[in-house]
Amino acid sequence: DGGITQSPKYLFRKEGQNVTLSCEQNLNHDAMYWYRQDPGQGLRLIYYSQIVNDFQKGDIAEGYSVSREKKESFPLTVTSAQKNPTAFYLCASSIERRTNYGYTFGSGTRLTVV
Amino acid sequence: AQSVTQPDIHITVSEGASLELRCNYSYGATPYLFWYVQSPGQGLQLLLKYFSGDTLVQGIKGFEAEFKRSQSSFNLRKPSVHWSDAAEYFCAVVASGSARQLTFGSGTQLTVLP
Repeated sequence: DGGITQSPKYLFRKEGQNVTLSCEQNLNHDAMYWYRQDPGQGLRLIYYSQIVNDFQKGDIAEGYSVSREKKESFPLTVTSAQKNPTAFYLCASSIERRTNYGYTFGSGTRLTVV
Repeated sequence: AQSVTQPDIHITVSEGASLELRCNYSYGATPYLFWYVQSPGQGLQLLLKYFSGDTLVQGIKGFEAEFKRSQSSFNLRKPSVHWSDAAEYFCAVVASGSARQLTFGSGTQLTVLP
């Protein structure tokens, strides 16, 4: 079955450490997105990519970095510059030219600073 | 800028009762509107979407929503709630511009009493 796989499901980060969250899709979708979810704040866009080797900052990109070397993969790195990284991170994808299909979401990664 | 407002942070209903979750949007043109549902610790699942045409749209799990342009609203309804409907619900609108990222509301948490 096609879908989006996020790993790991739970991740713990020490102060000053970079961590990378994985997002892989086999839907042949062009566009991919990273959202951060905090209680009571809904989803906030971190980065998005409409095509391989290209990506744009969203509303809260500071302290995060991404790459899009393959159509299927869009990893997110949470750097030490992100001062409050504890949150639930969601990856999504869409057929960019046909946004009427909406987004397909992964099951999320919960990141905790220890 | 486009925005989505979900006025109710938390709603409690009894099983078998009817449900209406409110969503208001601010958008310069006819928007694409979506409702998603999220179970605890999971990703988001698309319930239904509106682009044009009939203003009453049917979705999965017995949900429906009505687009009212005059009120800038897209409220979600269900005639009879089941205990399994307890979850968080998000309204979303497609932002303008070529990037077409979804803008999400802050969510409404639904509790269902036995």
